[in-house]
Amino acid sequence: GENVEQHPSTLSVQEGDSAVIKCTYSDSASNYFPWYKQELGKRPQLIIDIRSNVGEKKDQRIAVTLNKTAKHFSLHITETQPEDSAVYFCAPTGNGQNFVFGPGTRLSVLP
Amino acid sequence: EAGVTQSPTHLIKTRGQQATLRCSPISGHTSVYWYQQALGLGLQFLLWYDEGEERNRGNFPPRFSGRQFPNYSSELNVNALELEDSALYLCASGTGGTVSRGYTFGSGTRLTVV
Repeated sequence: GENVEQHPSTLSVQEGDSAVIKCTYSDSASNYFPWYKQELGKRPQLIIDIRSNVGEKKDQRIAVTLNKTAKHFSLHITETQPEDSAVYFCAPTGNGQNFVFGPGTRLSVLP
Repeated sequence: EAGVTQSPTHLIKTRGQQATLRCSPISGHTSVYWYQQALGLGLQFLLWYDEGEERNRGNFPPRFSGRQFPNYSSELNVNALELEDSALYLCASGTGGTVSRGYTFGSGTRLTVV
């Protein structure tokens, strides 16, 4: 089955700085790469995703980059704000049937 | 369009009892996915139902079971509750049994076993 890791497990940044979270996976058949954000006490929500035919995707302050050869993809958050504080999960998916989430990265944005 | 709805929001049970959690998918969705999230931890896949059938199951004991009804809503049953079953149970729905468009989760049921 898919083995998914995230690094780092916790990350603290000053407001306005950038944050990068990396997700590595083992299944070379993975072709869909989403990131979810879970704020304290709330449900996980999809914030950005990318497919294997694209190397990078950007949506305002967040972006995702994919390196399929090395089997990793990363979440980039620029100009971080306190409301970016949350746990972020990756969930690489192959053939539409993968149920494994990464262990999560706790991001704290310090004012 | 209504999202994924789960009930109850909170549930308190005694060890050894049974718990029943419910999930209504987004209209038009035929698949329901159940996840367990223990406090401070990640999401662990429990069950996937599609078109009324159990399609896949995570690494959980048989006392975790469920079903999907003809209207595609789903029920998760946890028998012989143990203290470590205390967690947030999340439900998501999708179409065609695929997750390649991302999950939309319900708000979850927080189960507390005392």
